[in-house]
Amino acid sequence: AQSVTQPDIHITVSEGASLELRCNYSYGATPYLFWYVQSPGQGLQLLLKYFSGDTLVQGIKGFEAEFKRSQSSFNLRKPSVHWSDAAEYFCAVGAQAAGNKLTFGGGTRVLVKP
Amino acid sequence: EPEVTQTPSHQVTQMGQEVILRCVPISNHLYFYWYRQILGQKVEFLVSFYNNEISEKSEIFDDQFSVERPDGSNFTLKIRSTKLEDSAMYFCASSDMVFETQYFGPGTRLLVL
Repeated sequence: AQSVTQPDIHITVSEGASLELRCNYSYGATPYLFWYVQSPGQGLQLLLKYFSGDTLVQGIKGFEAEFKRSQSSFNLRKPSVHWSDAAEYFCAVGAQAAGNKLTFGGGTRVLVKP
Repeated sequence: EPEVTQTPSHQVTQMGQEVILRCVPISNHLYFYWYRQILGQKVEFLVSFYNNEISEKSEIFDDQFSVERPDGSNFTLKIRSTKLEDSAMYFCASSDMVFETQYFGPGTRLLVL
């Protein structure tokens, strides 16, 4: 069965500093990988996705993520965080052999200090 | 930009009551999903739906749950007899193709007393 781990439950970062959120997955086949963000009272908004091709993917709001097959990781990064980036971030995995369901990590809550 | 909508945003019900959660997927999408997130836990897949039938369901999705697309725009999740442990945030999602990006609604927070 596929699984997703987000090791950091909470991260606090200063505004303007860089941010990296970790995501590790466990699955034998090539996965589809996603990062979603959830602001308070909002739904899950897609930040970016990886299906194939270039392992560095760009997303909305200045986020990027890099797929590293050898490390089974799909870490999310942003060079300079804005106060509006305070939210909860979810990594999710899908795979053809697993049907069309997504498996989510536990989420990382990001707090931004002024 | 098209989006998935869900109603109600919050629902409080008594244990044993039936609830129906409603979703309007993105209009040209063909695949529909329900997920839930119990407070403090991961978002979990419940069911996927295509061509008016369930294509996949999790072990959580037992006989107390059902889904329906009653018309061309709505997608519903029914819980026949709610239990305390059904209290959660329920998310609807849709995608235009299988193995494509799933777009999520804002969720319905269900509280069972």
